[in-house]
Amino acid sequence: TQTVSQSDAHVTVFEGDSVELRCNYSYGGSIYLSWYIQHHGRGLQFLLKYYSGNPVVQGVNGFEAEFSKSDSSFHLRKASVHWSDSAVYFCAVRGTGGYKVVFGSGTRLLVSP
Amino acid sequence: ETAVFQTPNYHVTQVGNEVSFNCKQTLGHDTMYWYKQDSKKLLKIMFSYNNKQLIVNETVPRRFSPQSSDKAHLNLRIKSVEPEDSAVYLCASSSRLGARAEQFFGPGTRLTVL
Repeated sequence: TQTVSQSDAHVTVFEGDSVELRCNYSYGGSIYLSWYIQHHGRGLQFLLKYYSGNPVVQGVNGFEAEFSKSDSSFHLRKASVHWSDSAVYFCAVRGTGGYKVVFGSGTRLLVSP
Repeated sequence: ETAVFQTPNYHVTQVGNEVSFNCKQTLGHDTMYWYKQDSKKLLKIMFSYNNKQLIVNETVPRRFSPQSSDKAHLNLRIKSVEPEDSAVYLCASSSRLGARAEQFFGPGTRLTVL
């Protein structure tokens, strides 16, 4: 069984600050990890994913995430946030042999001007 | 325009009524999904279709049934709605059935059951 934990339900930062959104997973085999963003009233949009290779992956709009097998983590980072980054961010995991994607509970990021 | 389209955007109905939500993707994808997102933003997979075949059916109540006429369409029917069905229903698609394919989501249909 795969599980995803996003420990921070809400994160508030100022525009221009750096931010890290935390994601920890539990799964016994090989997995694919992803991050999605959901702006208010809209569907989810894919940001980035990791399966193998360089543990730091780049996504759209300056986002990146780092995979750590030892910590079972896949934290999302951005060096300098913009007010338009305010949204809910979901971490997702899928076993390589399965079809089901399990989403975390989401982290609501609020960027204050 | 290539995307995932859902209709209606909102639907308000009373307990016991039947509702139907439509989803169409113009991305040429083989796989489509229905998710339920509750008021706390928790997302749960309901159904997944690959080339018109149901491949995942999470333990959703029997009153929910997916309907697919071709691989570009996946509708969701709820036969007799209950108050706990109030949620946002998100449709998604991916290029293939496989772990590497990211999913593309529609804007969602918000259902309110009075």
